[in-house]
Amino acid sequence: EAGVVQSPRYKIIEKKQPVAFWCNPISGHNTLYWYRQNLGQGPELLIRYENEEAVDDSQLPKDRFSAERLKGVDSTLKIQPAELGDSAVYLCASSLIRESPLHFGNGTRLTVT
Amino acid sequence: LAKTTQPISMDSYEGQEVNITCSHNNIATNDYITWYQQFPSQGPRFIIQGYKTKVTNEVASLFIPADRKSSTLSLPRVSLSDTAVYYCLVGDPLVLKAAGNKLTFGGGTRVLVKP
Repeated sequence: EAGVVQSPRYKIIEKKQPVAFWCNPISGHNTLYWYRQNLGQGPELLIRYENEEAVDDSQLPKDRFSAERLKGVDSTLKIQPAELGDSAVYLCASSLIRESPLHFGNGTRLTVT
Repeated sequence: LAKTTQPISMDSYEGQEVNITCSHNNIATNDYITWYQQFPSQGPRFIIQGYKTKVTNEVASLFIPADRKSSTLSLPRVSLSDTAVYYCLVGDPLVLKAAGNKLTFGGGTRVLVKP
């Protein structure tokens, strides 16, 4: 089966600019996750979707971060405006509803200068 | 959600067995224990999952004592390609709708396999 696809692979932007990340989960996976991973640390959950519904976004900095999952398939994570501290790897994962494990994409490495 | 504690790093040599222990003293009745492996520039990859006693697959074994307050991931006969970060997670995979089930990753254990 095709894995979780993320794009772009790398992104370099200046602070205060907007940026968006895209994720295509594994076909049939109803649950989609966005994680942020800082250098040397484990991934931190930002938001989790069950189909189109965001069921856990308590860790998402809502003043500058937004996410959507139209039609319960692909998802986009946006940051506007970006800050220096947003530099990290943004990981998308998916899983079958009510079942683990998580299947991760290879992430988008964001550098904010 | 049960918090986990793992060693920060471990060194080993090719051909040896590597055992990584994860402590999860406040594991809940419905929680499962799941291990992931992460290579540089890649997302984490599922290795193994278990609830109690022992689970074995083609990659690793997972040992869980009766009190379930800890678990040990065993990697048999490691090779250089097993150098990675290994994460232990504890949570209820059947309660994905619960806001508290954040499937939290800790800092992981960095395993370095030397020739």
